Amino acid sequence: DVKVTQSSRYLVKRTGEKVFLECVQDMDHENMFWYRQDPGLGLRLIYFSYDVKMKEKGDIPEGYSVSREKKERFSLILESASTNQTSMYLCASSQPPVWGGMGNEQFFGPGTRLTVL
Amino acid sequence: GQQVMQIPQYQHVQEGEDFTTYCNSSTTLSNIQWYKQRPGGHPVFLIQLVKSGEVKKQKRLTFQFGEAKKNSSLHITATQTTDVGTYFCAPPDNTDKLIFGTGTRLQVFP
Repeated sequence: DVKVTQSSRYLVKRTGEKVFLECVQDMDHENMFWYRQDPGLGLRLIYFSYDVKMKEKGDIPEGYSVSREKKERFSLILESASTNQTSMYLCASSQPPVWGGMGNEQFFGPGTRLTVL
Repeated sequence: GQQVMQIPQYQHVQEGEDFTTYCNSSTTLSNIQWYKQRPGGHPVFLIQLVKSGEVKKQKRLTFQFGEAKKNSSLHITATQTTDVGTYFCAPPDNTDKLIFGTGTRLQVFP
């Protein structure tokens, strides 16, 4: 059974702290994504990665960075947490489409609800 | 850039009533995916539509892709309490990343 796991379901941090959110997938997927989900705004892409050591900015990368040292692990880093980063963070993975084909479904982790005080 | 509008934002129905959510794009889409997120859960893939005018069914759920490939809909017949959740449409952008709609939250009253 395919699986995406995230390091914490709930996390409480203080303003200014450095925060690490970890995501691991066991499907040997090449693509990995970090989203944040806020009421009324849907899912917004923060960063994504198509391969090890490769990263691309999504729609809202400010205040975040990522790391992908191994294929199965994609980390989201909040360099200096702020209250406006209080949110639900979702990690997802997918396999890229075969050449000329359609994109494949994304598999999501359970999410980390981060509160920054 | 590409925008995806999903309506309605919320829908409350009595159990047994039908439900439809609509997804509209400003550009022609190559394909579209649909996801369901239960309360407290994470999005789960439901289906992908690829062809113009395509209609696919999953039990009480009917998915449709518009002829012009600019819109899509999800229709649930005779809703049940297990249908509660938020339904997202998600077409890809030109680099194959998904653009998630804002979602339609469905509440079903028994």
